[in-house]
Amino acid sequence: AQSVTQLGSHVSVSEGALVLLRCNYSSSVPPYLFWYVQYPNQGLQLLLKYTSAATLVKGINGFEAEFKKSETSFHLTKPSAHMSDAAEYFCAVSEGGTASKLTFGTGTRLQVTL
Amino acid sequence: NAGVTQTPKFRVLKTGQSMTLLCAQDMNHEYMYWYRQDPGMGLRLIHYSVGEGTTAKGEVPDGYNVSRLKKQNFLLGLESAAPSQTSVYFCASSYEGGLRTGELFFGEGSRLTVL
Repeated sequence: AQSVTQLGSHVSVSEGALVLLRCNYSSSVPPYLFWYVQYPNQGLQLLLKYTSAATLVKGINGFEAEFKKSETSFHLTKPSAHMSDAAEYFCAVSEGGTASKLTFGTGTRLQVTL
Repeated sequence: NAGVTQTPKFRVLKTGQSMTLLCAQDMNHEYMYWYRQDPGMGLRLIHYSVGEGTTAKGEVPDGYNVSRLKKQNFLLGLESAAPSQTSVYFCASSYEGGLRTGELFFGEGSRLTVL
C-alpha cells in the first residue's frame, strides 16, 4: 500500500529565505510523485510531478523537488521565498501513475513573513 | 476557459436533509473525482468515474452517491446528511494517458455545513 508523510503541518520562513517542505513516501512499486499547491479559498493546482525520468524536477513559480529513492523522499524547495508563496502544499503519490490511485499527504501550510 | 466548475459554493443543511453537488468540466476529460478535505487529514477520495456512465468507490464512499450521466458532469449526492459530512468538497478531473497522466484539475470547492 502507498502512503505519504509530510513532516511539519506548519512552516514559517522569512521572505527571501530558503523554503524546504518535506515529503516521504512509501510505495511497493516505483512511484509517481506530485506536489500540489492550494491558495486560500481555491482548489489545488499542480506544482510539479516526478515520473521516473530526471530525479530533479522543476515546477512553476521557481519550485523544484528531488526524488531520492534511497531516502524515499521527495522534498520541495525554493531558493528564495516570496510573500505570494504563502499557501498550503500537498505531496501525493501514485503507484500506478494514474490520478485515480493518488494518495495525498495531510498538507503543510507555508507562512512567509517580512 | 472555465475548467472545473462546482455549484453551489456554500450550503448549510440540517441533519437528515438531502442535497446534490454539481461538477462540470469543459476540458473533455474522461476521469472525474470527488474529494473531501478536512483539517489535518488532507484530501480523501469519495468516488470517481473513469468515463460517462461509470462510477467507482474511493477511500470514503459511505453516505454518498454519485452519477455521471454526461461526460462533462459528475454529481455528488448526500441522501441523508450527517454532521460528520461537514467538510469542503472538491471536484477534479484528469486526462489519463501520456505525459499528462496523474495530473488533476480542481474546482474551487464547495463548503458544506451540516447542523
